[in-house]
Parts: sequence; C-alpha cells; structure tokens
Amino acid sequence: EVRLVESGGTLVQPGGSLRLSCAASGFTFRNHWMSWVRQAPGKGLEWVANIKQDGSEKHFVDSVKGRFTISRDNAQNSLFLQMNSLGVEDTAIYYCVRDHLLWFGVSENWGQGTLVTVSS
Amino acid sequence: SYTLTQPPSMSVAPGKTARITCEGSDIGSKSVHWYQQKPGQAPVLVLYVDRERPSGIPERFSGSNSGDTAALTITRVEAGDEADYFCQVWDSGSEHVVFGGGTKLTVL
Repeated sequence: EVRLVESGGTLVQPGGSLRLSCAASGFTFRNHWMSWVRQAPGKGLEWVANIKQDGSEKHFVDSVKGRFTISRDNAQNSLFLQMNSLGVEDTAIYYCVRDHLLWFGVSENWGQGTLVTVSS
Repeated sequence: SYTLTQPPSMSVAPGKTARITCEGSDIGSKSVHWYQQKPGQAPVLVLYVDRERPSGIPERFSGSNSGDTAALTITRVEAGDEADYFCQVWDSGSEHVVFGGGTKLTVL
C-alpha cells in the first residue's frame, strides 16, 4: 500500500522558515517524480513544486520561486520542502504527492497533508 | 500563464447525470486529469489522460476532451459523489502543473 506521511507543519511568523518532510513507503520511491501541492483554507488546489526521480530537474510555481526549495533523499524514501521568507499567503495544507509512474503530471497518490499557518 | 476555468458549483438529483466542464485554450491538445475531494480529506485521482480510470473508480465516471473544453461526466449520480472536483493539466510552455478552480457538486 502506498503511504505518504507529511510532517513539519506548524505556526510560523511572517518572514520565518519551515521545512516540510514526507515519508514515503509501499512503492519504489526513486522511480517516481514527486510533488508538493497546497490548499489554502476554503480554497482550491495549487501546485507548488515537483522534482524528478534523481533530483536533477525541479519546477516551481512562480509565487514560490526563490523562496522554496524541493529536494529528496532516495536512500531514505523522503521528500522535503524548504520554505523561506514565508508570508500569510503561504498558509495552507501542504500535500505530498506521488506522480504516476508512466504519465507525467498525474498526481496519483496524496498524503493527508500538513498544515502550515503563517501568522503573527 | 495557462488557466483552467470550471463552474464554481452545480447540483444534480440522485440517479441523474452530472457533467463538469473545464475550459482552457486548446485544452484538447493536452492531457487532462480529474480529482475528487470530499470535505476534510485529501484529493483522489478519478480520471487521468482525459478518460482513463484508476483502479477502484466506478465506470460511472468518464471523461472527454476536445477543442477548448474537457469534461468529467458522472452517470447515475449517488449521494457519495458529493464533493469538489478539480481538473488539472501540465502546461509544457510554462513547465507548470495547473489546476482548475474546482467545482462543488451537490447531490440534491
């Protein structure tokens, strides 16, 4: 069974930093693109970033470029999102997502999410 | 940047058919994926590459994609289908994943 378990979400002040983690199990992690998708309270889904199997290619939504970094540790089956210069607009549930093995961009499996609240 | 437009809400009676649209410029040239999200839960993939169903998704869920409009059709709607539905594409031009704004489906 595919399992994606996010952690690291908490209350942080504007301008602060936070690192989210995602522990993956039940599949061969190193074979899949992985993504982060967020959802602000009461709003829709917003893709944040994705990363290639070996970490050599990464893409970011424009609103987080230069502030967020995505990385992975294939030996530890883990995905990370380093978030810097956080603003209130970054308040959201952050989902760790496994992309489909064959079809790029298909968000096949989702974790339950971790809540990031940016507030003073 | 590429945008996807969905109706914010729609309602349908049990047993009837719901058709949720997703509009985007020349979306027919892209692969469209659909997600269902129930309150308090993570999204679930219900269709990928326009019309393919993941295992466990009922045949009542089907999709189409042509021109500027993609659609998710749910036949014989049940109370359990009440949820938010989001369409999604990969825009190769911007190298971004793009989601539609979502449609809240209410079963009367």
